[in-house]
Amino acid sequence: GENVEQHPSTLSVQEGDSAVIKCTYSDSASNYFPWYKQELGKRPQLIIDIRSNVGEKKDQRIAVTLNKTAKHFSLHITETQPEDSAVYFCAASGGGGYNKLIFGAGTRLAVHP
Amino acid sequence: DAMVIQNPRYQVTQFGKPVTLSCSQTLNHNVMYWYQQKSSQAPKLLFHYYDKDFNNEADTPDNFQSRRPNTSFCFLDIRSPGLGDAAMYLCATSRKGLNTEAFFGQGTRLTVV
Repeated sequence: GENVEQHPSTLSVQEGDSAVIKCTYSDSASNYFPWYKQELGKRPQLIIDIRSNVGEKKDQRIAVTLNKTAKHFSLHITETQPEDSAVYFCAASGGGGYNKLIFGAGTRLAVHP
Repeated sequence: DAMVIQNPRYQVTQFGKPVTLSCSQTLNHNVMYWYQQKSSQAPKLLFHYYDKDFNNEADTPDNFQSRRPNTSFCFLDIRSPGLGDAAMYLCATSRKGLNTEAFFGQGTRLTVV
């Protein structure tokens, strides 16, 4: 089955700096890669996703890149703000059929003013 | 506005006493998922329904069961909760087909005493 590894587990940046979170996946058949943001005590919320037919996607301060050959994808947040502080999860799906999302272990991002 | 609703938000149960968590959705999505999320860990898929078809993950304990009486509702039954089953339980839904966004409920935090 699919296995997703995520690094780093914690990330601390100063406001205005960039943050990068990296994930690798094992199932070459996976073709959908969403990123979720989870604030303390709240539900995971989708912030951006990428499908295997593109290599990069951007939405304002957030971008995701995908390298299918190397089986890794990354989240880039530019001009970080304190409200970006949360746990971020990457996920992969599509390899086993349906929409079985397999999550990475999460990255706790702290943005300091 | 809530699209995936979980009840209750907090549930306390006694060791060994059966407990049921509920999830309802107003999105008319075909697929419903149950995830278990322990503190500081990634959500772990327990099982999912594709319409009425039930799909159990290989490592989901037999102690966990699920029912989906109709499109809108899905239940998670824990037959004999142990201390290790204390966690946040997240319900999610998605449309039919691959590569579609999963929408999460607020979760039910289960405490076992």
